[in-house]
Amino acid sequence: DAKTTQPPSMDCAEGRAANLPCNHSTISGNEYVYWYRQIHSQGPQYIIHGLKNNETNEMASLIITEDRKSSTLILPHATLRDTAVYYCIVRVSGGYQKVTFGTGTKLQVIP
Amino acid sequence: NAGVTQTPKFQVLKTGQSMTLQCAQDMNHEYMSWYRQDPGMGLRLIHYSVGAGITDQGEVPNGYNVSRSTTEDFPLRLLSAAPSQTSVYFCASSFTTGGWKTQYFGPGTRLLVL
Repeated sequence: DAKTTQPPSMDCAEGRAANLPCNHSTISGNEYVYWYRQIHSQGPQYIIHGLKNNETNEMASLIITEDRKSSTLILPHATLRDTAVYYCIVRVSGGYQKVTFGTGTKLQVIP
Repeated sequence: NAGVTQTPKFQVLKTGQSMTLQCAQDMNHEYMSWYRQDPGMGLRLIHYSVGAGITDQGEVPNGYNVSRSTTEDFPLRLLSAAPSQTSVYFCASSFTTGGWKTQYFGPGTRLLVL
């Protein structure tokens, strides 16, 4: 699986959009980008994933650059409950690949 | 569905003791895995399984054994606990065929080895 690089921490004002970047310059053509978050030592929670098109669901939007070497997770209106560690993972879809997590980005939403 | 369940929630062991962390899922997922998370660190993969009777090592397998006799259960055994194994342990499961869907994580087991 390709390696990802994320900033260790970010702050965001409550109510504003939180934009979390992820670099994955060695991503392969069949690898998807997945985002998870972990709130206060709970089990990680799935947020969104995509291959090359931008994706949106009820939690967030995922913007993937045209060359697929980086992506941005957007939380449109951050709340205090969005304070968490956010993990960006790239891997192929299906099959028997093992999944590893990096250290992620600690997002602090400020009142 | 109960999702992914883990027992116990907390455990204190003495060095050299053995124990088994239990993980069960009721979603008929083929893929199950164990992670450990040390303070301020990301999750590191210990062992994983792609189906009953099939297991493989992850990044940090030393000191741990696993088996997968049924689709539902994936226990993690510590053979001789060491203080370095103090950590939070998460079990996860997902489908493997038809695309890698989301992984579902259990609530974690907090282990302290004295």
